[in-house]
Amino acid sequence: DAKTTQPPSMDCAEGRAANLPCNHSTISGNEYVYWYRQIHSQGPQYIIHGLKNNETNEMASLIITEDRKSSTLILPHATLRDTAVYYCIVLPAGGTSYGKLTFGQGTILTVHP
Amino acid sequence: SQTIHQWPATLVQPVGSPLSLECTVEGTSNPNLYWYRQAAGRGLQLLFYSVGIGQISSEVPQNLSASRPQDRQFILSSKKLLLSDSGFYLCAWGTGNAGNTIYFGEGSWLTVV
Repeated sequence: DAKTTQPPSMDCAEGRAANLPCNHSTISGNEYVYWYRQIHSQGPQYIIHGLKNNETNEMASLIITEDRKSSTLILPHATLRDTAVYYCIVLPAGGTSYGKLTFGQGTILTVHP
Repeated sequence: SQTIHQWPATLVQPVGSPLSLECTVEGTSNPNLYWYRQAAGRGLQLLFYSVGIGQISSEVPQNLSASRPQDRQFILSSKKLLLSDSGFYLCAWGTGNAGNTIYFGEGSWLTVV
């Protein structure tokens, strides 16, 4: 499975966009990029995922570079409730190995008033 | 819509006592089900996964066992708890298909004393 690299921490002002980078230079052609976040003492929350096209949903946008070696999660208008640990992971496509998630250290995003 | 629930949310058990954590999924059929443990420092470890009733695969040798008596029910058990079994336990489900999401439950905090 491809490994990911994220900055350990980031700060963001409330109301501003939060841009969280992730490097996954060894990603394979059929592997998806997923983003989850986890607020202390809660289960991880799915945010968004993509294969090679940029994706947007009600929570965030995901920008994947053309070579797919890196991606950026964008929270367009960060709020205090977005303070959490954000995990970027790469999942193999299909099969029983598909759900075998491995979280790295992630990025601690702190949103300030 | 699909939902996942696990309980109890918190548990304090003495060493040597039994354990039963339960997880149920609503709104889907024949899901892949997973039990994870998250240790301090945010690492996520897959313990068991199941692709169908009575089908359990163990990822790591340990003092725990899992069972799937019904399609949408997943149980994590132990006959005799060890101090090292303390941690945050997460149930999750997915379809097993490429590009689909793994969803987590709320988590169960287990403290073995």
